[in-house]
Amino acid sequence: GAGVSQSPSNKVTEKGKDVELRCDPISGHTALYWYRQSLGQGLEFLIYFQGNSAPDKSGLPSDRFSAERTGGSVSTLTIQRTQQEDSAVYLCASSITGSYNYGYTFGSGTRLTVV
Amino acid sequence: KNEVEQSPQNLTAQEGEFITINCSYSVGISALHWLQQHPGGGIVSLFMLSSGKKKHGRLIATINIQEKHSSLHITASHPRDSAVYICAVRSGSEKLVFGKGTKLTVNP
Repeated sequence: GAGVSQSPSNKVTEKGKDVELRCDPISGHTALYWYRQSLGQGLEFLIYFQGNSAPDKSGLPSDRFSAERTGGSVSTLTIQRTQQEDSAVYLCASSITGSYNYGYTFGSGTRLTVV
Repeated sequence: KNEVEQSPQNLTAQEGEFITINCSYSVGISALHWLQQHPGGGIVSLFMLSSGKKKHGRLIATINIQEKHSSLHITASHPRDSAVYICAVRSGSEKLVFGKGTKLTVNP
């Protein structure tokens, strides 16, 4: 597609339920990133994919968070047993390669609210 | 102390004014990014710098590697420039480390 597409754009879930957030990067972008922006906070890194592998998952806040990427394209971020502190905007970005020479394209984000 | 510090946190200007937003960082970097986030949350990448200066329309970004400092300038500011401007650095790994952002409001 023309841009990075994220779905859903908004998600309200009950505490304790599992949620899946989807990111469809720009075609041909090998690098994919997940970030999180909590209310009143700055952006924080969650995980980075190069192709289908995740060389850096150091930002995942707990083992309730996992992510996968298939076919070097779509990625899914899964949060199990959601907690209220998981409420945030989850942003996905992609770039042509993980090299520092290339910029990012961000998606519009998924606003997750845990009630 | 955060690795990336931005100033000011909030900035209000009148249409037409020259705007400067500053970013200082404490780590060695491979690249610095300036991002724009509009209400509603969408983020647009404005610039990626590793040295010198870049210009795009009314926006100018500069970086001084020795001083670990970057500035984003907006000439002839307009109300549509109102947004949060975020500085982010890449320091040897693939992840970005973000400043807390500068909220710019340009009044007509």
